[in-house]
Amino acid sequence: QSVLTQPPSVSAAPGQNVTISCSGSSSNIGNNYVSWYQQLPGTAPKLLIYDNNKRPSGIPDRFSGSKSGTSVTLGITGLQTGDEADYYCGTWDSSLSVYWVFGGGTKLTVL
Amino acid sequence: QVQLQESGPGLVKPSQTLSLTCTVSGGSISSGSYYWSWIRQPAGKGLEWIGRIYTSGSTNYNPSLKSRVTVSVDTSKNQFSLKLRSVTAADTAVYYCARLVVPTKFDLWGRGTLVTVSS
Repeated sequence: QSVLTQPPSVSAAPGQNVTISCSGSSSNIGNNYVSWYQQLPGTAPKLLIYDNNKRPSGIPDRFSGSKSGTSVTLGITGLQTGDEADYYCGTWDSSLSVYWVFGGGTKLTVL
Repeated sequence: QVQLQESGPGLVKPSQTLSLTCTVSGGSISSGSYYWSWIRQPAGKGLEWIGRIYTSGSTNYNPSLKSRVTVSVDTSKNQFSLKLRSVTAADTAVYYCARLVVPTKFDLWGRGTLVTVSS
């Protein structure tokens, strides 16, 4: 059971838009920046969004992040087949000690 | 360009110690405001953060693993390492090393190495 809650799966057709939610609490998302990671099959995770809504260089603006209270959302517009992957949110948690937590991951299927 | 590479045994017996090393190439492990971390992923499951170390030697660990984990750094070799004691089959996973840019982004990852715990 992950500290951060993500939907196990989402799906949409190519060209459509999709959002992936990540819900936490005041001990994690509520008081920390959040980052998002994309993991294509058989590969290491890749940084997609950091500091809630910033994109590293090379990440297309089809990917966006937002935060409201103790939840964050990853948005993907103009879905492409190459976006089919697992997506993870992550941040620090201070409920027990200072440690990093990931969401359980969301499998995006591009139909 | 900085790269990370995990190395270590792919098979560990139950109750023994899992030992992995991450070699940083293309840059100094001591430069910048970075924390060096270990993350694992059992087959078909999500990511689990294990722990991190700063080049000063300061560490933080996942509370669920803290009693069994040690992360250390060797700046002279540009490496950091993971030791996980008393392993069981539940510790079978792909282990990644990663660079954390303060405060909250893992911007660089190794390719990962599969460690299987089995007799």
